[in-house]
Amino acid sequence: QVQLQESGPGLVKPSQTLSLTCTVSGGSISSGGYYWSWIRQHPGKGLEWIGYIYYSGSTYYNPSLKSRVTISVDTSKNQFSLKLSSVTAADTAVYYCASDGDYGDAFDIWGQGTMVTVSS
Amino acid sequence: SYVLTQPPSVSVAPGQTARITCGGNNIGSKSVHWYQQKPGQAPVLVVYDDSDRPSGIPERFSGSNSGNTATLTISRVEAGDEADYYCQVWDSSSDHRHVVFGGGTKLTVL
Repeated sequence: QVQLQESGPGLVKPSQTLSLTCTVSGGSISSGGYYWSWIRQHPGKGLEWIGYIYYSGSTYYNPSLKSRVTISVDTSKNQFSLKLSSVTAADTAVYYCASDGDYGDAFDIWGQGTMVTVSS
Repeated sequence: SYVLTQPPSVSVAPGQTARITCGGNNIGSKSVHWYQQKPGQAPVLVVYDDSDRPSGIPERFSGSNSGNTATLTISRVEAGDEADYYCQVWDSSSDHRHVVFGGGTKLTVL
């Protein structure tokens, strides 16, 4: 059973780069057919998709964040990562990593989420 | 860009049936997934591909999708069903697939 776990700083200063890592356990990140994704949720708000890296290595980002987002994979560590540059208070949110698994392309695998606050 | 519209809130008495809608242009041509999120927890998939249930999800949860509206139906609502519910589709444009979430619906059990 694949499990995901986010890690990274809980506090980031404005204008800096937010960096988070998602560790995959119980399976290989190189396995075919998975969309390794990042999703965030502003306090009290809905879910916002940030982007994904496909098992083939191709990436696609939410157009509203595209200029600031990079998602990459480290197969040696079975991890994928999120970098969001030039952060502001508007990037304060709970960040989830997620993936499709056993149910088509639905996100049935989620990390527990990590709260990131942007503040000086 | 593709937009999914959900009512902000739905209220229902215990034992009754809750219906949560998700509107989108010709959404019937897409596969719709539904998630339940309780406070402080990650979302949980409750319905996928319009009407299928993942293992462990009660039969009380069902879904349908036609035309411009997808619907999540929760029968015999229990207090434990009180949560936020989100619909989600994959939209394809410019040779890429991207994710779209609805704004979410808060289900209140009276």
